[in-house]
Amino acid sequence: SQQGEEDPQALSIQEGENATMNCSYKTSINNLQWYRQNSGRGLVHLILIRSNEREKHSGRLRVTLDTSKKSSSLLITASRAADTASYFCATDPGAQKLVFGQGTRLTINP
Amino acid sequence: DVKVTQSSRYLVKRTGEKVFLECVQDMDHENMFWYRQDPGLGLRLIYFSYDVKMKEKGDIPEGYSVSREKKERFSLILESASTNQTSMYLCASSLGLQPQHFGDGTRLSIL
Repeated sequence: SQQGEEDPQALSIQEGENATMNCSYKTSINNLQWYRQNSGRGLVHLILIRSNEREKHSGRLRVTLDTSKKSSSLLITASRAADTASYFCATDPGAQKLVFGQGTRLTINP
Repeated sequence: DVKVTQSSRYLVKRTGEKVFLECVQDMDHENMFWYRQDPGLGLRLIYFSYDVKMKEKGDIPEGYSVSREKKERFSLILESASTNQTSMYLCASSLGLQPQHFGDGTRLSIL
């Protein structure tokens, strides 16, 4: 049951620019998480935002959550070549499982 | 640091073979998960386990089974491999409601 949908599917920007990715979901959630996946590797957890939070920061990452619109966004500021990866949102509807979106493929051009 | 280890990065098997994918975590996590990842479909949950000898079906369990005899090890079994099971398989573990930690994946090809 794919719940999350991410937009855009692919994003290509210049180094130093900001990158914004969006995630929409269908049902109520306990929290929403963002993960990064470098090519050929596993996923790495970036940030978790709870359903009662609206915004969260971690270094160059800023996540917002709008539960009324069932959507979230991930902003990466001052992008670097090392940020090139796929980014996934995952929702926690309960029962300790996660439901992942299809991901946004981000390319940072030097 | 947390470590989830999958036994093989690449694996090639033949149609009809019984295939075992192994996953070991060193964090004493009670939850373990198996996903498959296909282009355009994201990650789909195959099976998960909340404790030793416990297992729950995910979204796509058909053609797969799992085994969890010890807390640190979670095995995915393809009973009779078919070409449509060619995929990237990812194992993950977590503690309670904490974020999941992933292995580097096994890229499985069924010929």
